[in-house]
Amino acid sequence: GENVEQHPSTLSVQEGDSAVIKCTYSDSASNYFPWYKQELGKRPQLIIDIRSNVGEKKDQRIAVTLNKTAKHFSLHITETQPEDSAVYFCAASISGNTGKLIFGQGTTLQVKP
Amino acid sequence: GAVVSQHPSWVICKSGTSVKIECRSLDFQATTMFWYRQFPKQSLMLMATSNEGSKATYEQGVEKDKFLINHASLTLSTLTVTSAHPEDSSFYICSASTSGRPREQYFGPGTRLTVT
Repeated sequence: GENVEQHPSTLSVQEGDSAVIKCTYSDSASNYFPWYKQELGKRPQLIIDIRSNVGEKKDQRIAVTLNKTAKHFSLHITETQPEDSAVYFCAASISGNTGKLIFGQGTTLQVKP
Repeated sequence: GAVVSQHPSWVICKSGTSVKIECRSLDFQATTMFWYRQFPKQSLMLMATSNEGSKATYEQGVEKDKFLINHASLTLSTLTVTSAHPEDSSFYICSASTSGRPREQYFGPGTRLTVT
């Protein structure tokens, strides 16, 4: 089955710096890759997603890149702010119509003011 | 749009009792619902996938007789933790998706279960 590896597990940056979180997946049939932000005790919130027919997607300070050949995708946050501090999860959706998501282990991002 | 609710938001129960958690899609029809368990500082672990009107598909290692899932309508799925034990204490989160956009999952706020 699909396996998603996420690195780093923790990331500390200074406010204004960029943050990059990387994920690799194992199933080449996966074609949907969302990123979620989860604050303590809250539900995961979708912040950006990418499908396998594109290589990059950007939404203001957030961007995601996908390398299908290498089976990895990355989240880039620019001009980080303290409110970006949270746990970030990548996920991959295996082929088929169920939409089943397999999550990475999570990255705790701390943005220091 | 795409709001998912869960009830209760937290529950404390005694060992050996059963607890039911409800997951509702409030403004759309959820053809598929997913149940996850999340231990502190860990990732979301998919427990099962349920489609309206059919039996749930459980992930490997998840006991279907212990975690009963019912998806009786397009807006409601329930997870019942039977004969709960302290090790079942966790954060349970549901999500829902529609047939029109099966890849996008909308998450509920989660239910914190504590078994004493």
